[in-house]
Amino acid sequence: AQKVTQAQTEISVVEKEDVTLDCVYETRDTTYYLFWYKQPPSGELVFLIRRNSFDEQNEISGRYSWNFQKSTSSFNFTITASQVVDSAVYFCALSDAYSSASKIIFGSGTRLSIRP
Amino acid sequence: GAGVSQTPSNKVTEKGKYVELRCDPISGHTALYWYRQSLGQGPEFLIYFQGTGAADDSGLPNDRFFAVRPEGSVSTLKIQRTERGDSAVYLCASSPETSWGGRWNEQFFGPGTRLTVL
Repeated sequence: AQKVTQAQTEISVVEKEDVTLDCVYETRDTTYYLFWYKQPPSGELVFLIRRNSFDEQNEISGRYSWNFQKSTSSFNFTITASQVVDSAVYFCALSDAYSSASKIIFGSGTRLSIRP
Repeated sequence: GAGVSQTPSNKVTEKGKYVELRCDPISGHTALYWYRQSLGQGPEFLIYFQGTGAADDSGLPNDRFFAVRPEGSVSTLKIQRTERGDSAVYLCASSPETSWGGRWNEQFFGPGTRLTVL
């Protein structure tokens, strides 16, 4: 069975602080995709990143960075120098790379609040 | 171009009533997904269509839920005898084609329909 755990329900930091959102996943598949999505107060799901299980290289995109560690089944997300606009619910997610269904399994989300 | 659209944006109904939720996918997208997001939770998969056929309906919670996509474009999620526990945001996503064999096709999500059952 596939499962995504985001143990941090809510995080609140002051603007400009760095913050890391944790994600631990479970899957029996050897090939899979991992994702992060952002859901701002307006409600739409905004895609942030997708990683293939073959590629463990860390990725940086501006103030965002992702740390994928297969050995610990983790895919953590760090925001550097956080801004108020980063306030949202963030979801980590997982999908089988070879199934014809390719449904996405989401974690329960981490609500991030950035205080000015 | 236009993204995935869902109507209505909000639906309030009474317990026991029947509701229909509509999804208009991105033009040309053959794969369509329905997810349900309960308060404080992540989206949960309900059903997936490839073309007109439901390829995987394993996420539908019970037989009160049904979805169709008769012409391979617009899809309607139908809920009979609604219960208070059905209150959630129902999200639709579409993809150019099925993700298969290690090739991922991005799922584009709509804004959702917020269903409230009183």
